[in-house]
Amino acid sequence: KNEVEQSPQNLTAQEGEFITINCSYSVGISALHWLQQHPGGGIVSLFMLSSGKKKHGRLIATINIQEKHSSLHITASHPRDSAVYICAVIPNYGGSQGNLIFGKGTKLSVKP
Amino acid sequence: NAGVTQTPKFQVLKTGQSMTLQCAQDMNHNSMYWYRQDPGMGLRLIYYSASEGTTDKGEVPNGYNVSRLNKREFSLRLESAAPSQTSVYFCASSDWGRGRTQYFGPGTRLLVL
Repeated sequence: KNEVEQSPQNLTAQEGEFITINCSYSVGISALHWLQQHPGGGIVSLFMLSSGKKKHGRLIATINIQEKHSSLHITASHPRDSAVYICAVIPNYGGSQGNLIFGKGTKLSVKP
Repeated sequence: NAGVTQTPKFQVLKTGQSMTLQCAQDMNHNSMYWYRQDPGMGLRLIYYSASEGTTDKGEVPNGYNVSRLNKREFSLRLESAAPSQTSVYFCASSDWGRGRTQYFGPGTRLLVL
């Protein structure tokens, strides 16, 4: 079983829709990251969370440490939001060295 | 600032050939990482360097070697390429410390025939 699971794997939305991508993990963590991989391949970090909620523009990320779950929301989606969204966690067990464990990603396509 | 740069962008190798992937960062970061990304799988850590002068194995180190040449540069070497090493390779860097944001290079697409 993967330590980080994302759902859905693929998501198609119409422009303007509210989008939610989910991430569940099975290990204790010190932080969780959301990343965006553009169609051209580049990867950028969107958020780093250890508790609560963060907002940047139309993007909102939440985390529930007790339930081992995080969500990434996109409000008023736009075709330029089309990308792969990747969840990654920093496990807090000994020997992990603080290295990221990645989910397989959610491919989002927003149609005009 | 260029951020994290990688060369080459694309490479085709024959089985058994060797090559070195280069990575450099200009953000004065202590830690650097090499990942591979394969279809249907998440990014997987090959090697990392927590600070200049140190390197450690990640999840999938077999068939690779690394060199942390200085604080800026971290190279990945394939001594004898195999078709299973066909992948997209990403270099990343971050400040030292657990959970720091990682900054990724543009990737190197490698095809081993």
